Amino acid sequence: DSGVTQTPKHLITATGQRVTLRCSPRSGDLSVYWYQQSLDQGLQFLIQYYNGEERAKGNILERFSAQQFPDLHSELNLSSLELGDSALYFCASSASAVLSGDTQYFGPGTRLTVL
Amino acid sequence: LAKTTQPISMDSYEGQEVNITCSHNNIATNDYITWYQQFPSQGPRFIIQGYKTKVTNEVASLFIPADRKSSTLSLPRVSLSDTAVYYCLVARGAGGYNKLIFGAGTRLAVHP
Repeated sequence: DSGVTQTPKHLITATGQRVTLRCSPRSGDLSVYWYQQSLDQGLQFLIQYYNGEERAKGNILERFSAQQFPDLHSELNLSSLELGDSALYFCASSASAVLSGDTQYFGPGTRLTVL
Repeated sequence: LAKTTQPISMDSYEGQEVNITCSHNNIATNDYITWYQQFPSQGPRFIIQGYKTKVTNEVASLFIPADRKSSTLSLPRVSLSDTAVYYCLVARGAGGYNKLIFGAGTRLAVHP
């Protein structure tokens, strides 16, 4: 158990809809990272927040947005969903703002299925 | 930013040593190299991290040559439970901001 929690575990929705994925980082970690992993694909970094502020941006679509709240939990919002958005979405956390010398701890993921 | 290249797949047998190499030709001074293990439908799990030379922990060793353009994850005496995908990550933390590049992963199959 990494200490990172994600809800829900599974989500099934229809094209055009909007969903929210939730992540709680490990106790004491200030950074939260979001990743997308499509079937049999590698990890695509989406976005990082550190202590409430956006810190790094990867290949995140404009239809996707995220935020980190004062209690440090984070939410990833996916809107106007398309079939291609079906994937595993992972959240990770780390103690510091940068990963040089630090490491990420990953949650169990949310499996999103868009029908 | 450093792009990483790993073999797509590898096969081994129980009890053998496995070495997985990641190429990162454009690695920069501030970049660290981290390796993760991922089982199907689970989140990646940290294995080992290094900056240069050799790092060893209870599960693996990481060899980084002087030019740091590649790194090799070494798994001693693998077992069936080591069958997983292994990812190399190059992370730069210059100026307080991350740049993260994951490799495509190496699918390791360990056979009896």
